[in-house]
Amino acid sequence: AQKITQTQPGMFVQEKEAVTLDCTYDTSDPSYGLFWYKQPSSGEMIFLIYQGSYDQQNATEGRYSLNFQKARKSANLVISASQLGDSAMYFCAMRWGYSSASKIIFGSGTRLSIRP
Amino acid sequence: GAGVSQSPRYKVAKRGQDVALRCDPISGHVSLFWYQQALGQGPEFLTYFQNEAQLDKSGLPSDRFFAERPEGSVSTLKIQRTQQEDSAVYLCASSSTSSSGDTQYFGPGTRLTVL
Repeated sequence: AQKITQTQPGMFVQEKEAVTLDCTYDTSDPSYGLFWYKQPSSGEMIFLIYQGSYDQQNATEGRYSLNFQKARKSANLVISASQLGDSAMYFCAMRWGYSSASKIIFGSGTRLSIRP
Repeated sequence: GAGVSQSPRYKVAKRGQDVALRCDPISGHVSLFWYQQALGQGPEFLTYFQNEAQLDKSGLPSDRFFAERPEGSVSTLKIQRTQQEDSAVYLCASSSTSSSGDTQYFGPGTRLTVL
C-alpha cells in the first residue's frame, strides 16, 4: 500500500539558515509523483514543488529544492535562506501514476517555525 | 488568474443539520477533488470528478456524504445529518490534464464545526 511518512512533527530554525524537511514514501508503482505543499495558519494549501519518479534531476523552484533519492524512497524538501514567512505546516504528498485522475495521499506534516 | 474558491469559509452546524459546501475550480480545469482535513492531520481524499463524472468516491466516509458537479464546473459537497466527527476543514482542489505534473491547486477550505 502507498504511504507517506514525515518523522519531524516540529522544527525550529534560525532565520536565514537552510532547513531540510524529511519525507519517505512507500509504493510499488513505478510511476508516481511527489509534491510538497505549505499550509500557513490561514489554512490554504500552497503548492511548492513537484518531482516525477522518472525525472532525472532534482526539482528546484526558487529557494525550494527537492532532494530526491529514489533508491532510498526519500523526497526531502530543502529551503535555502529561510525567512520568517516560511513558518507554516509543510506536507509531503504522493500521487501514484501520472494521470490527473489520481488522488494524492499526504503525510502527517511538519510544523516549521523560523526564529528571528 | 483566479484560483480555486470555496464558500462558505466557515460553517457552524447543529448536529443533525444538513450542510452544503461549494467549490469553484480554476477555469478550464477538468479534474476536481475533495479532501477532508481533521485538526492536526494531513488532508484525506474524499472524492474525485473528471468533468461532471464522479470517477472515484472511495474516500467518502459514509452515505451521509454526497458530492456533485452537474455541469463539470462548480461542485457541491453535501453532508446530511451532520455528526460531531464531521467537524474538519474541507478542501477542494482542481487540476488540468495539460499542466506540468498535473499539480492539484487547492482552495482556502471550508472549516465545518458541528456542535
